[in-house]
Amino acid sequence: TQLLEQSPQFLSIQEGENLTVYCNSSSVFSSLQWYRQEPGEGPVLLVTVVTGGEVKKLKRLTFQFGDARKDSSLHITAAQPGDTGLYLCAGGDYKLSFGAGTTVTVRA
Amino acid sequence: GAVVSQHPSWVICKSGTSVKIECRSLDFQATTMFWYRQFPKQSLMLMATSNEGSKATYEQGVEKDKFLINHASLTLSTLTVTSAHPEDSSFYICSARARLAASYNEQFFGPGTRLTVL
Repeated sequence: TQLLEQSPQFLSIQEGENLTVYCNSSSVFSSLQWYRQEPGEGPVLLVTVVTGGEVKKLKRLTFQFGDARKDSSLHITAAQPGDTGLYLCAGGDYKLSFGAGTTVTVRA
Repeated sequence: GAVVSQHPSWVICKSGTSVKIECRSLDFQATTMFWYRQFPKQSLMLMATSNEGSKATYEQGVEKDKFLINHASLTLSTLTVTSAHPEDSSFYICSARARLAASYNEQFFGPGTRLTVL
């Protein structure tokens, strides 16, 4: 089983601040996915990163895949209350292994 | 595209009864569907992998006779919790992997089913 470690576990910031969530592993992944999940709902796919060193932007969200394809980060610029949720990284060629998740709370 | 539905969205049942949860891929064919369980404030835990037309593969520690999975078609998988007990109360989520998926493993998740066993 390929393990993914996410940090921090919890993050509470004020609206307008920036935040970064990290996803690390000792294993190499062919791709990593980032999901956001809101309470009582299923995870929603945000992005898939596949190339080492890749940077993808989705509005105020920036995703980076490490050169060695063992780690990834999610950076949110000028966070808004709508960004509140559980952020999950996941990887695996068939069955997905999930990180423990980062609960992000953006206060208005 | 890539929409997955689950039904019901929530269910309350008495201890000892069985509950069936349906997972459907609405706009694509899914060769593989996955069933997860999620406890409050925790990440997703894979229960089993379901392939169309074959028996499901269960993760270690998951009782196959308690959690019956049927993948009847390329768009439908069902999870039946048999003889449910209060400890089975949880949020159950399915995901589907598209038949013509890209080379990387993208899964699309249903909205989840909240099961409460009294």
